[in-house]
Amino acid sequence: DTEVTQTPKHLVMGMTNKKSLKCEQHMGHRAMYWYKQKAKKPPELMFVYSYEKLSINESVPSRFSPECPNSSLLNLHLHALQPEDSALYLCASSQGTRADEQYFGPGTRLTVT
Amino acid sequence: GENVEQHPSTLSVQEGDSAVIKCTYSDSASNYFPWYKQELGKGPQLIIDIRSNVGEKKDQRIAVTLNKTAKHFSLHITETQPEDSAVYFCAASSPYTGRRALTFGSGTRLQVQP
Repeated sequence: DTEVTQTPKHLVMGMTNKKSLKCEQHMGHRAMYWYKQKAKKPPELMFVYSYEKLSINESVPSRFSPECPNSSLLNLHLHALQPEDSALYLCASSQGTRADEQYFGPGTRLTVT
Repeated sequence: GENVEQHPSTLSVQEGDSAVIKCTYSDSASNYFPWYKQELGKGPQLIIDIRSNVGEKKDQRIAVTLNKTAKHFSLHITETQPEDSAVYFCAASSPYTGRRALTFGSGTRLQVQP
């Protein structure tokens, strides 16, 4: 089973709201990733967690705050977002920490109004 | 850092024909090359991958070839079907840089005409 689940599927939030995206995998993978994908573009890496520790932050604005409560869960906390943050947010996981064989979830479609 | 270029950006074929998508990479240390298929409204799905110690890999109707000398790799889909219509992304990664992450190509929109 190579399933990564994400909730919610769709999210509409105002610029003053606080919301969280959730990601879960039960494959025993030790690396988890957040990507942002704009329309007709490839996924763009935001954060990487390796063994539950943040290992890569691609200079993402502080209004995005990742959290890895345990090896199966990954959250992305959102606060004071801008309309240009509207995008598909993808979670992925991989067995090891070499970045290969990443399995993606279905994504959360975020709209900031 | 790594740079991956992908061509063509769009590809239209008749059902039953073959489709080929090409990617080039810049970092000679890259050693893992996956291909992802993304259907509308879904996340990318890993469909095939290749490591630098092999030149070709097949899985039913799809195959990937790698030319390390020229630093390019290609996805081949034979006997295309309408359900192959999607956006395809190539990617590359190197375990030898501090930044252990996939670098994606810009994507190819494949349309299979029935």
